[in-house]
Amino acid sequence: GENVEQHPSTLSVQEGDSAVIKCTYSDSASNYFPWYKQELGKRPQLIIDIRSNVGEKKDQRIAVTLNKTAKHFSLHITETQPEDSAVYFCAASRGTGGGNKLTFGTGTQLKVEL
Amino acid sequence: GAVVSQHPSWVICKSGTSVKIECRSLDFQATTMFWYRQFPKQSLMLMATSNEGSKATYEQGVEKDKFLINHASLTLSTLTVTSAHPEDSSFYICSARGGSANTEAFFGQGTRLTVV
Repeated sequence: GENVEQHPSTLSVQEGDSAVIKCTYSDSASNYFPWYKQELGKRPQLIIDIRSNVGEKKDQRIAVTLNKTAKHFSLHITETQPEDSAVYFCAASRGTGGGNKLTFGTGTQLKVEL
Repeated sequence: GAVVSQHPSWVICKSGTSVKIECRSLDFQATTMFWYRQFPKQSLMLMATSNEGSKATYEQGVEKDKFLINHASLTLSTLTVTSAHPEDSSFYICSARGGSANTEAFFGQGTRLTVV
């Protein structure tokens, strides 16, 4: 089955700096890669996703890059703000339909310091 | 976006009793729902895939007789933790993807289960 690894497990940055979180996956058939933000005790919220037919996607301060050959994808957050502090999870899925399960990475605790 | 509602949000039960958690898709039909368990400071681990009208598919290492899943309609899946023990204390969260054309997975609010 799919195995998703995520690094780093914790990340501290100064407000205004950039943060990068990296994930690798094992199943070459995976073609959908979402990123979730989870605040303590709350449900994960989708922040950005990318499909395998594109290499990069951007939404304001957040961007995701995908390297299918190397089987890794990364989350980039620019101009970090204190409210960006949370746990971030990457995930991978073989398909984009309702029956396709997501395999999650181990999570990154991001702390944005003033 | 689509809404998935889960309840209760928290429950405390005595060891040996059973607890039922409900997961509803409020504005879309979910043929498939997913149940995850999350221990403190850990990732979401898939327990089982719930299929409407058929048996659930359990991940390796998850006891199907202990974690009973019922998906009786296109909008409701339930997870029952039977004969709960303190080690079952965790955050349980369900998810549904909004149909074949919608890739996003929506999560319920999660249920904090504490077994005493």
